[in-house]
Amino acid sequence: AQTIHQWPVAEIKAVGSPLSLGCTIKGKSSPNLYWYWQATGGTLQQLFYSITVGQVESVVQLNLSASRPKDDQFILSTEKLLLSHSGFYLCAWSLRAVEQYFGPGTRLTVL
Amino acid sequence: GDQVEQSPSALSLHEGTGSALRCNFTTTMRAVQWFRKNSRGSLINLFYLASGTKENGRLKSAFDSKERYSTLHIRDAQLEDSGTYFCAALYGSSGNKLIFGIGTLLSVKP
Repeated sequence: AQTIHQWPVAEIKAVGSPLSLGCTIKGKSSPNLYWYWQATGGTLQQLFYSITVGQVESVVQLNLSASRPKDDQFILSTEKLLLSHSGFYLCAWSLRAVEQYFGPGTRLTVL
Repeated sequence: GDQVEQSPSALSLHEGTGSALRCNFTTTMRAVQWFRKNSRGSLINLFYLASGTKENGRLKSAFDSKERYSTLHIRDAQLEDSGTYFCAALYGSSGNKLIFGIGTLLSVKP
């Protein structure tokens, strides 16, 4: 059974529209959770991480925000999308900040 | 800032041969991970090392935090080894920050 799920699989959105990407972890208690982003042809960059419910640390500022409403859920969002938000978004988990494991990803196209 | 320098950016091997990928770090890192990109763009875990070496089949990885580098050796390369390989270094006081190299595109030819 897959441990980490991301939704949606892919999304096409208009500039200026809101965005919400989700990540759910199954079968792991109190995981550390992470959001990453890769622009086409770019390097994978860490955006946020969360050690516990309600706490999120920002690593890179990209006019995005993240929230952790539940132990097993991590949400990435913005009120207004930019063209530069296009790319591939990956969620990851780890236990006690050791090895990280990645989800299947969401491909976002902003037009 | 903290950086991970991965080389080479592209590598071509004939079946049955081998080579090494390398990542140099500009600062002391806590640990290193090596990944391979899958067909959908996500990452398959190959190795996690806080020190020393690990081996798995035809792959072997080493991490020297003091000398600030890590290597991934591939021996007896097969066609199915073709793909993009990434190193990523774990840093920061909480150990939650992971910084990636640019990746190495490996092509294995008959």
